[in-house]
Amino acid sequence: QVQLVESGGGVVQPGRSLRLSCAASGFTFSSYSMHWVRQAPGKGLEWVAVILNDGSNQYYADSMKGRFTISRDNSRKTLYLQMNSLRAEDTAVYYCARDSRGYSWGQGTLVTVSS
Amino acid sequence: NFMLTQPHSVSESPGETVTISCTRSSGSIASNSVQWYQQRPGSAPTTMIYENDQRPSGVPYRFSGSIDSSSNSASLTISGLKTEDEADYYCQSYDSTKPHVIFGGGTKLTVL
Repeated sequence: QVQLVESGGGVVQPGRSLRLSCAASGFTFSSYSMHWVRQAPGKGLEWVAVILNDGSNQYYADSMKGRFTISRDNSRKTLYLQMNSLRAEDTAVYYCARDSRGYSWGQGTLVTVSS
Repeated sequence: NFMLTQPHSVSESPGETVTISCTRSSGSIASNSVQWYQQRPGSAPTTMIYENDQRPSGVPYRFSGSIDSSSNSASLTISGLKTEDEADYYCQSYDSTKPHVIFGGGTKLTVL
């Protein structure tokens, strides 16, 4: 059974950094591309980034390119999202997701950017 | 990037059938698979349809998906509506030119 558990969210001041983690279990982590998707309060889903199964390539939504970095450690079965220069509009629940026959989703972690 | 446009809200009575549309703004809807997600308040989304018309195990037969090239749109149809179907529904596809993932804006389904 696929399990994805995000962590690392919290309250952070504008301009600061935060790193999210996603611990995976129940499947062969190194065989799958992994994504981050976010959802601002009361808003829809917004795709953030994807990393290929071997970490060889990463792709980002235009609005996050240059500030966010997706990475993974297949030996630890963990996905990461490094977020720099955070803005108020980055406030959202951040989900990690495995893309296979539709997404399998974690429960999300809330990031609040506020002074 | 193309956009996926969904109605903001739909409502229907229990036992009836509702269809939620998802229209692709450019490029063919058949070029990339379409997925549908259900999200109840306070919960993470769950997959209801993948690859246009495939149902994951555990998803009731009442949920079905299709694509229509003539209208360049995908549809999620829910028959025999139940109050528990009340949720937000999102369509999702891929932009293989970048590659990026595209979500529709979501549709709030009210079952009253």
